[in-house]
Amino acid sequence: EDKVVQSPLSLVVHEGDTVTLNCSYEVTNFRSLLWYKQEKKAPTFLFMLTSSGIEKKSGRLSSILDKKELFSILNITATQTGDSAVYLCAVGDGNNDMRFGAGTRLTVKP
Amino acid sequence: EADIYQTPRYLVIGTGKKITLECSQTMGHDKMYWYQQDPGMELHLIHYSYGVNSTEKGDLSSESTVSRIRTEHFPLTLESARPSHTSQYLCAAGWAPETQYFGPGTRLLVL
Repeated sequence: EDKVVQSPLSLVVHEGDTVTLNCSYEVTNFRSLLWYKQEKKAPTFLFMLTSSGIEKKSGRLSSILDKKELFSILNITATQTGDSAVYLCAVGDGNNDMRFGAGTRLTVKP
Repeated sequence: EADIYQTPRYLVIGTGKKITLECSQTMGHDKMYWYQQDPGMELHLIHYSYGVNSTEKGDLSSESTVSRIRTEHFPLTLESARPSHTSQYLCAAGWAPETQYFGPGTRLLVL
């Protein structure tokens, strides 16, 4: 059965800390892995990863995919209170379906 | 990027009522999606459309129905709402499944 598992489920850190969020998957006909940030309402797109070993970077956020070990990590350096959100991992398969993980709830305290 | 609009944003309704959740987008994306998300839980795909007059059911079984008569409009209908339908419903659109832009969502409470 296809599945996407994120860990940890929740995380509390202080401003300035660095965090690593994990996403592992088992999906038939893997096509891509996406990271989203969900604050109060709808998810907003962060990264799309399709190739192993190539880091995607946007400011303090970065992500990398390992297609051999079937996981991805999302790193956030020098965290700020505005980074507090639920971070969702989603995997797209060859059927053009996307399967979402349950998310990691990150809380950044001042 | 797409502008995705959903109405209503919040809806409280009694059991047995028929409701339609509206979703529209202004960028002409072929692909549109409906997701259901319970608090603290993952998003589940309930319907998707790859173009006008094309609709398919998603992973999660849903009693709702959808229609796609125009590219920009993808409404979701519940013929007879029940408390088990209480959830957040998110609409998304994009050129490909990997590039989905989400609307603000509709929070539905069925009493």
